[in-house]
Amino acid sequence: QKEVEQDPGPLSVPEGAIVSLNCTYSNSAFQYFMWYRQYSRKGPELLMYTYSSGNKEDGRFTAQVDKSSKYISLFIRDSQPSDSATYLCAMIGGGGADGLTFGKGTHLIIQP
Amino acid sequence: DTEVTQTPKHLVMGMTNKKSLKCEQHMGHRAMYWYKQKAKKPPELMFVYSYEKLSINESVPSRFSPECPNSSLLNLHLHALQPEDSALYLCASSLQAFSNQPQHFGDGTRLSIL
Repeated sequence: QKEVEQDPGPLSVPEGAIVSLNCTYSNSAFQYFMWYRQYSRKGPELLMYTYSSGNKEDGRFTAQVDKSSKYISLFIRDSQPSDSATYLCAMIGGGGADGLTFGKGTHLIIQP
Repeated sequence: DTEVTQTPKHLVMGMTNKKSLKCEQHMGHRAMYWYKQKAKKPPELMFVYSYEKLSINESVPSRFSPECPNSSLLNLHLHALQPEDSALYLCASSLQAFSNQPQHFGDGTRLSIL
């Protein structure tokens, strides 16, 4: 079993829909969670960085962490065609010694 | 625009060539990283520099040679590469290595080996 599971998609939704992207993990040492957005031919761009269980909101984006279930989510409200990209979840253990562990990434397509 | 700048954006080289990739950041970060990313895969860690010293080499072949001239610059020297080395090479930085701080990535150099 891989440490971080993420459905690669593609996930296709109509413009304006609420998008839900998810990752599950098995290593309870993961304490810090990130979501990166990667457009084609670009590097990953940090969208959200969270530690605590619960929700963190930034504009149209909400990151949710449930440490008891080892499950994290990214919600995108009022999705736009410009949100079409690959979304990577990433995690760091408590000490940070092992660096980032990435999910495979979910390819998201927002249909105009 | 990202705060981590990588040059060149694209590079095509033969298997006998020697070339270098460059990365620069001015965020005062003391950790810098090289990653390799193949199509439809997440980035794979290659090297970690902490305070300009190489801290991690993830069993990368010697045809890749990293260098950190100062706290803002990171180079990756390439020599005698193989076709399977064609990929997107990403540089990243963070406040400190081996910490909980997030990493910030550049847009990468897309490398093609003929």
